Amino acid sequence: RKEVEQDPGPFNVPEGATVAFNCTYSNSASQSFFWYRQDCRKEPKLLMSVYSSGNEDGRFTAQLNRASQYISLLIRDSKLSDSATYLCVVNPDSSYKLIFGSGTRLLVRP
Amino acid sequence: DGGITQSPKYLFRKEGQNVTLSCEQNLNHDAMYWYRQDPGQGLRLIYYSQIVNDFQKGDIAEGYSVSREKKESFPLTVTSAQKNPTAFYLCASRQVSQPQHFGDGTRLSIL
Repeated sequence: RKEVEQDPGPFNVPEGATVAFNCTYSNSASQSFFWYRQDCRKEPKLLMSVYSSGNEDGRFTAQLNRASQYISLLIRDSKLSDSATYLCVVNPDSSYKLIFGSGTRLLVRP
Repeated sequence: DGGITQSPKYLFRKEGQNVTLSCEQNLNHDAMYWYRQDPGQGLRLIYYSQIVNDFQKGDIAEGYSVSREKKESFPLTVTSAQKNPTAFYLCASRQVSQPQHFGDGTRLSIL
């Protein structure tokens, strides 16, 4: 089993739709969790950190479910500009090493 | 501006040649990382360093070498032993429990 797993997609949704991605992780002791966005041929950019209590930033909501060992990202009112690959990142212990998922590709169509 | 600077943006390597990719950060981060990304694939960790003069192999270290003589700098050398070096190389840095910040990458190709 991979340490961090994501559905590769693509998720193809119309503008204005709500879409959700999940990411599962194998190490129950994992400490920190993040969502990144990567556009084609560009570097990943931090979208949001994921806190135990969940957090929201505009149209984006991230949740952590420790019991089932997954994090989620919800995007409301999708925009064309949301088309990208979304990477789930997990810090499995207190070290500096991070584990990246392979990414979920989102395509938002007009 | 604070950030991570990678250079060059594009690099070409001849057969049997070693090439070095530069990564500099002015964020005062302790840890620095090198990743490789192939087209349509995820990031794979090559090397990382938690402190000056110390570094650890990642998942695909063979054919690569690094040094960490200064906190701000973490250069990556792609040696001639790396037979398939064509890829997008990303450098990153962070503090513990904080997210990573990435440079804008170097694209390496074989001539």
